[in-house]
Amino acid sequence: KAGVTQTPRYLIKTRGQQVTLSCSPISGHRSVSWYQQTPGQGLQFLFEYFSETQRNKGNFPGRFSGRQFSNSRSEMNVSTLELGDSALYLCASSLEGDLYGYTFGSGTRLTVV
Amino acid sequence: GDSVTQMEGPVTLSEEAFLTINCTYTATGYPSLFWYVQYPGEGLQLLLKATKADDKGSNKGFEATYRKETTSFHLEKGSVQVSDSAVYFCALSDRSGSARQLTFGSGTQLTVLP
Repeated sequence: KAGVTQTPRYLIKTRGQQVTLSCSPISGHRSVSWYQQTPGQGLQFLFEYFSETQRNKGNFPGRFSGRQFSNSRSEMNVSTLELGDSALYLCASSLEGDLYGYTFGSGTRLTVV
Repeated sequence: GDSVTQMEGPVTLSEEAFLTINCTYTATGYPSLFWYVQYPGEGLQLLLKATKADDKGSNKGFEATYRKETTSFHLEKGSVQVSDSAVYFCALSDRSGSARQLTFGSGTQLTVLP
């Protein structure tokens, strides 16, 4: 059974550019969440999608956005990149809610220069 | 709001030593509790979970019991191995309302020496 797949694994962007990250959940999982991991702030929740609808959003500026497609694949977009956006972005999928646990991908390491 | 407080690291142990990593939480509802492990350069792997009070989660020799009276979910292992070296995160998911997110502790770096 394939796990959660995130692409690309590594990305280097210039300040002011935008970036799109992709996440393919485990087959059958309809919930996809995104997290940002930095040394200073730790793991912070970005947003969660279920059946193409955003159900919950963390405390991030509007430059951070996402969407989910009908096949449950999800993308997140960051516009007007800042140096502080450099982080490991993790995607997690779940059947529904928390009772079954969340399965994480290996993440996308974004470096903004 | 919800929060998770984890034992500060780093923790360094000798192989076969006993491990305890403390975790306490604050939540408004009835959370599920998790331990995740992160190896260098990788994402998070679910180590174990508990969904209600007095539940014991266990996996690969690790155990944690959901203690509602002390709002704790301490991780234990009787005999650690070098391969257990990683960062361990305690997390909760509050099932009240429509929120569907994990709140993480700050992580505890464990190094096991041979």
